Amino acid sequence: DQQVKQNSPSLSVQEGRISILNCDYTNSMFDYFLWYKKYPAEGPTFLISISSIKDKNEDGRFTVFLNKSAKHLSLHIVPSQPGDSAVYFCAASPMPSNTGKLIFGQGTTLQVKP
Amino acid sequence: KAGVTQTPRYLIKTRGQQVTLSCSPISGHRSVSWYQQTPGQGLQFLFEYFSETQRNKGNFPGRFSGRQFSNSRSEMNVSTLELGDSALYLCASSLVGRVNEKLFFGSGTQLSVL
Repeated sequence: DQQVKQNSPSLSVQEGRISILNCDYTNSMFDYFLWYKKYPAEGPTFLISISSIKDKNEDGRFTVFLNKSAKHLSLHIVPSQPGDSAVYFCAASPMPSNTGKLIFGQGTTLQVKP
Repeated sequence: KAGVTQTPRYLIKTRGQQVTLSCSPISGHRSVSWYQQTPGQGLQFLFEYFSETQRNKGNFPGRFSGRQFSNSRSEMNVSTLELGDSALYLCASSLVGRVNEKLFFGSGTQLSVL
C-alpha cells in the first residue's frame, strides 16, 4: 500500500529550464511534507518542506506547492542546473507528527542536461 | 561537526545468517531512525529510537530489530536473512525527532544476501 507515490521514475530537462517533480498521497491525515535529494553513494539530504496549513514554500531556486484537495504536491526547480541531477524523494509525516517516522515515495531521477 | 556514520559500508551475507549494522548519529542528536531502500520501493521506515526506547515501528517482520545505547548510537539486527533483505539500509538522526526537524542521513550500509 503505497501511501506516497511518485509516478514518474525519471525526468530529463535542459539546463536553465524548469524542473517539475510531482508527488501524490492518499492519506488526508498527513500534515507535513518534505523533499529530499539523493546523490549516488550518499545518503539523502533535506531540500525543502511544507506544512499542510500552507500551499507554497520557497527556498531559493526551489519551490514546493501543496494542493490538499487533490492530495498532490510538486517541487519546482528554477533554473535547473546540472548539479541538480539526483534522485528526488518526497516524504510525508503521518499524524502524530512528533516522531521520526516519514513515509517516502519511490523517488524520481532527475537529469539536467548541460 | 561529524555527520551520521554508518558501518560497515558494504556487507555480503548468505541466506539464514544474521547481520548487525551500526549507526553513530550526529553529536547531540537523540533520535535515530532506520530506513530500507530498495529499487522501485523508495525508502521504507523500519523503526525509530529516542532515548534508548523504540518510539515507532514500521511494517517489517520481527526478524528486524534494533536498539539504541545511552550515547545515542544505534544498531539494527536482521536475523535469518532472506534474499529479499538485500537493500541499502539508511540511518538518520535528528535532535529529538520532531517532524519539522531535518533528518540527517548516513551514507548507508549496502547489504547483499546471496
